[in-house]
Amino acid sequence: GDSVTQMEGPVTLSEEAFLTINCTYTATGYPSLFWYVQYPGEGLQLLLKATKADDKGSNKGFEATYRKETTSFHLEKGSVQVSDSAVYFCALSETTSGTYKYIFGTGTRLKVLA
Amino acid sequence: GAGVSQTPSNKVTEKGKYVELRCDPISGHTALYWYRQSLGQGPEFLIYFQGTGAADDSGLPNDRFFAVRPEGSVSTLKIQRTERGDSAVYLCASSLGGRATDTQYFGPGTRLTVL
Repeated sequence: GDSVTQMEGPVTLSEEAFLTINCTYTATGYPSLFWYVQYPGEGLQLLLKATKADDKGSNKGFEATYRKETTSFHLEKGSVQVSDSAVYFCALSETTSGTYKYIFGTGTRLKVLA
Repeated sequence: GAGVSQTPSNKVTEKGKYVELRCDPISGHTALYWYRQSLGQGPEFLIYFQGTGAADDSGLPNDRFFAVRPEGSVSTLKIQRTERGDSAVYLCASSLGGRATDTQYFGPGTRLTVL
């Protein structure tokens, strides 16, 4: 079945550092891809999404490009802030069953130090 | 506008008891999903409703788990004879039409602890 693999955390960076969180997927159909963020004590929030190959999603300085040839959707940010400390989840919407349920990765915890 | 709400936010119960978890989706959203998130893991799909019907319940772990959405809005996840392994955060999400490109909006979750 479909699956999502994320890089293991935790990732610890200094403020203003460059961030990459790797995400690769396997899917039999043509899924949409998502990044969700979970701040401490809060629920899952959509960060960005891309619905077809070569689409770039962006929000709050974060970007990710849907790469069909490498089955990847890596999350990047040029300069992280302490307020970006959170757990980041990569997800795809599974298309073969017709339900479009999400398949999530295990999450990557990011800690940004001042 | 109001987001997805879930009640209770926390539920502590004893092994063998019955529990109900409620989800109130965003108004007008026809698709509703339940997920379960264990500590240190991503959410895992349980069941999907399109309108009133359960269109996909393939993620329910066993027949102790059941969910309803009688009027196509509020949904209740029901767990019978709870076990310690059922302890997790139960998340509800809704989307406008249940399409592949739709964004699912998540509630804050119900943390279930089975003693």
